[in-house]
Amino acid sequence: QITLKESGPTQVKPTQTLTLTCTFSGFSLTTSGVAVGWIRQPPGKTLEWLALIYWDDDKRYSPSLKNRLTITRDTSKNQVVLTLTNMDPVDTATYYCTQGSRGLTVYWGQGTLVTVSS
Amino acid sequence: DIQMTQSPSALSASVGDRVTISCRASQSVSYFLAWYQQKPGKAPNLLIYKASTLQSGVPSRFSGSGSGTEFTLTISSLQPDDFATYYCQQYNYYFTFGQGTKLEIK
Repeated sequence: QITLKESGPTQVKPTQTLTLTCTFSGFSLTTSGVAVGWIRQPPGKTLEWLALIYWDDDKRYSPSLKNRLTITRDTSKNQVVLTLTNMDPVDTATYYCTQGSRGLTVYWGQGTLVTVSS
Repeated sequence: DIQMTQSPSALSASVGDRVTISCRASQSVSYFLAWYQQKPGKAPNLLIYKASTLQSGVPSRFSGSGSGTEFTLTISSLQPDDFATYYCQQYNYYFTFGQGTKLEIK
């Protein structure tokens, strides 16, 4: 059974850096084809893909946010970490950790709501 | 960036109705198109991938079609559990979602 769970702060101040951790189980991020990523959803709005890290440590970022995003992994802990710098109120959203393969997002965490406010 | 446009944005229908939701890509995404269902307060759930392949466990009343830039999601006979928001997503070049279609009870 594949599970993913996001953890991190529920509130950050403008200009701060957000660090979110995804802790997963039921699969290995070293298995060929597997990828773990992050997708966010502002309240009442659509979904926005942020970043992806592959089984071979290759990384992909949203072109519109790549200057602010970093994704890393710790395979020994079954964790993936996302950092988003220079937070702004427009970054208020539910952040989802996801898992998939061959480009497809199949499994989702429950999501964590992050509010940006001073 | 590839833009995904869904229509309609909202739809009212009754149990038993046949419903179709459209999704258009700003450029060809081949068949790399997925459909998700999302209920309030929950993460999206994958329904269809590769435009027409039903994800395991998804009822057969859901079907998808299309390729290139035009895609449709069809629910053949609406059930009470189907009232939700539906998103299309292209995964041919990075990932982009449509704006969503909210399916409401008439």
